[in-house]
Amino acid sequence: EDKVVQSPLSLVVHEGDTVTLNCSYEVTNFRSLLWYKQEKKAPTFLFMLTSSGIEKKSGRLSSILDKKELFSILNITATQTGDSAVYLCAVINAGNNRKLIWGLGTSLAVNP
Amino acid sequence: GAGVSQSPSNKVTEKGKDVELRCDPISGHTALYWYRQSLGQGLEFLIYFQGNSAPDKSGLPSDRFSAERTGGSVSTLTIQRTQQEDSAVYLCASSSLGGNEQFFGPGTRLTVL
Repeated sequence: EDKVVQSPLSLVVHEGDTVTLNCSYEVTNFRSLLWYKQEKKAPTFLFMLTSSGIEKKSGRLSSILDKKELFSILNITATQTGDSAVYLCAVINAGNNRKLIWGLGTSLAVNP
Repeated sequence: GAGVSQSPSNKVTEKGKDVELRCDPISGHTALYWYRQSLGQGLEFLIYFQGNSAPDKSGLPSDRFSAERTGGSVSTLTIQRTQQEDSAVYLCASSSLGGNEQFFGPGTRLTVL
């Protein structure tokens, strides 16, 4: 059965800290891995990763995929209180109507 | 449109009533997805449309749930005889043909009293 596992489930840090969020997966016919940030209702897209070893970067956020070890990490440097959110990882199974398989998310709280 | 829109944003209903939730995807997006998220839980897949057809209805939790999409655009999720356990945020997302990224609407928070 396809599954996506995120860790840790929750994390509390202080402003300025660096955090690393993990996402491991077991998916047949892997296509891509996506990271989303969910603050209140709607998840907002962060990154899509398809190839191993190529870092995607946006400001203080960066992510990389390891297709051999079947995981991805999301790094946030110099965290701010506005980074507090649930970070969701999802994987696309190319053969299953391209449906996303979602992890449960990592709840990040950044304290001032 | 500029983004995915959903209505209503909030819906409070009494147990046993029927509700309709609406999703208006990004113009031109052929794929449309409905998810449910209960408090503190992950995203639960409900149904997927490609155009007007629904090749994957595997996530619908019971026969009280149904969805349709007309004209390859707007979709309606209907919950009949609502139960308290139906209380959740219902999220809609759309993606372009061949696209991987799903764009989410703001969601509808359903509360069944």
